[in-house]
Amino acid sequence: EAGVTQSPTHLIKTRGQQATLRCSPISGHTSVYWYQQALGLGLQFLLWYDEGEERNRGNFPPRFSGRQFPNYSSELNVNALELEDSALYLCASSTNGQRNTEAFFGQGTRLTVV
Amino acid sequence: AQTVTQSQPEMSVQEAETVTLSCTYDTSESDYYLFWYKQPPSRQMILVIRQEAYKQQNATENRFSVNFQKAAKSFSLKISDSQLGDAAMYFCAYRSADQFYFGTGTSLTVIP
Repeated sequence: EAGVTQSPTHLIKTRGQQATLRCSPISGHTSVYWYQQALGLGLQFLLWYDEGEERNRGNFPPRFSGRQFPNYSSELNVNALELEDSALYLCASSTNGQRNTEAFFGQGTRLTVV
Repeated sequence: AQTVTQSQPEMSVQEAETVTLSCTYDTSESDYYLFWYKQPPSRQMILVIRQEAYKQQNATENRFSVNFQKAAKSFSLKISDSQLGDAAMYFCAYRSADQFYFGTGTSLTVIP
């Protein structure tokens, strides 16, 4: 069974541009979570989607947005990129939004803003 | 809001020895789940062990076990017979209704 897949693996963008990151959850999983992992800051919660709806949002500016498609895959968009957006972006999925479900992570997208 | 604290940014252990990684959390909830994740240099976050708050028995998974002290809101991870492959970043996580809260991680070095 395929795990959580993220694309691209690496992404280099110029300040002010837009970045689109993609995530395919494990088959059968309806919940997708996005985290930003900047150096030395641990994992910062960005967004949670479940059954196509945004369920929760972290403390990030509106230029961070996303969506979940009918097949439960998800997209994270970052507009007006800033140098501080350089980080590893991790996507995770779980079977549903219940608290007894663990998260399975992808390998991440390394975003570099120059 | 829930917070998760890992007070040991770095730890080291001799191969075959035992090491304990600390984690504390703050919550007003009574029903929750706790996890330890491992992130090796390959970046893939892997679940190591999970603990259900309503279960008093500490979870064990092969060489990995936890010491869960609910009243103290403490959730430490013990790694026995440490192996070179255990070298990684370890994250403690708290699962609430709306998200996973992660600590800042502990970088574990295993010395041959």
